[in-house]
Amino acid sequence: AQKITQTQPGMFVQEKEAVTLDCTYDTSDPSYGLFWYKQPSSGEMIFLIYQGSYDQQNATEGRYSLNFQKARKSANLVISASQLGDSAMYFCAMRANTGNQFYFGTGTSLTVIP
Amino acid sequence: DTGVSQDPRHKITKRGQNVTFRCDPISEHNRLYWYRQTLGQGPEFLTYFQNEAQLEKSRLLSDRFSAERPKGSFSTLEIQRTEQGDSAMYLCASSLEVGGAVTEAFFGQGTRLTVV
Repeated sequence: AQKITQTQPGMFVQEKEAVTLDCTYDTSDPSYGLFWYKQPSSGEMIFLIYQGSYDQQNATEGRYSLNFQKARKSANLVISASQLGDSAMYFCAMRANTGNQFYFGTGTSLTVIP
Repeated sequence: DTGVSQDPRHKITKRGQNVTFRCDPISEHNRLYWYRQTLGQGPEFLTYFQNEAQLEKSRLLSDRFSAERPKGSFSTLEIQRTEQGDSAMYLCASSLEVGGAVTEAFFGQGTRLTVV
């Protein structure tokens, strides 16, 4: 079975600063994908970034980057140059190649302060 | 088709009534998921379809829950004899699975169910 742990229930960041949201995972599958989603108060889960377990380089998508440390089983999300619109819940998720469902953490609430 | 759409967005029902939710996935996506999310928690897997076949169901999906995806297009999730514990956000997602590779799922805006 897979498990995702997000230990930061809430985070605050000053506008234009960078912030790191932590995520650790546990799986016995050698091949898997890691994902980050953003959930604003409206409820929609918005896909942000993906990292494959065999990818050699850390994934980046605009202001989002994923700090993937395979040996530590961590997949932290880094948001650079925070904007007020980044205030939302952020969920880390994973899916093993041999599995069919996405497993989600409990989320981190990010508040960007002007 | 710009994304996954769910209908209704909100539903308030009395305990014991039946409710049905609809999900329209991204048109070329062959996989469709249903998740449930309660306050302060991450989404929990309920079931998924590969085309029209329902291939996996969570133990969370009691006998009162049934899902269909006729012709591999839209999907419906029905809850019979609703209970207060069914109050949650019901999220639908879809993805394009090719050759067994893990790909991202795209979610709809969810249906928020309140059972009174």
